[in-house]
Amino acid sequence: SQKIEQNSEALNIQEGKTATLTCNYTNYSPAYLQWYRQDPGRGPVFLLLIRENEKEKRKERLKVTFDTTLKQSLFHITASQPADSATYLCARDNFNKFYFGSGTKLNVKP
Amino acid sequence: DAGVTQSPTHLIKTRGQQVTLRCSPKSGHDTVSWYQQALGQGPQFIFQYYEEEERQRGNFPDRFSGHQFPNYSSELNVNALLLGDSALYLCASSLGRSGANVLTFGAGSRLTVL
Repeated sequence: SQKIEQNSEALNIQEGKTATLTCNYTNYSPAYLQWYRQDPGRGPVFLLLIRENEKEKRKERLKVTFDTTLKQSLFHITASQPADSATYLCARDNFNKFYFGSGTKLNVKP
Repeated sequence: DAGVTQSPTHLIKTRGQQVTLRCSPKSGHDTVSWYQQALGQGPQFIFQYYEEEERQRGNFPDRFSGHQFPNYSSELNVNALLLGDSALYLCASSLGRSGANVLTFGAGSRLTVL
């Protein structure tokens, strides 16, 4: 099976700090991994995609890394804000069939 | 430019009943996928439609069926509802191309089975 594992415990951090979320996968490395944000009662929203041959990808305050040796992706939010509070989902794609992790809930306290 | 729209937003059914959920994809997208999301879990892939045919299917029983229309909109049907079918049902659209595809999700239909 192609599992995606995320820390199910909520991550609580102080405003202004860097939040780091972890995504681990099993079996072979996917060609790319994706990260989505989901707010309560809403559908997930795409944030970033990183390819297997890209070690790091950035978009404004967001940064994603991809380590094929550790079979892991890290998602960073720098200078976090209360508005960043949400659940963040990691996903791998197998011929357009997506496998999602259970998500990590981030709480940014003012 | 409208994104993915789903209807209804909420509905309540009883065990044994049947339900139909509807989805209109984002303009320009031709592929529709359906996901089931239980509380506290990530979305689970149900099936995908492209060119009006079911192209891929997840580990869901035949009680779950779907359809895609010529205008790319789609329906998800669930027969003989069980309590365990209570979940948020998400529709996602994308382009049916090889390589990296990004999903655009709707807000979902919250189904409660009593």
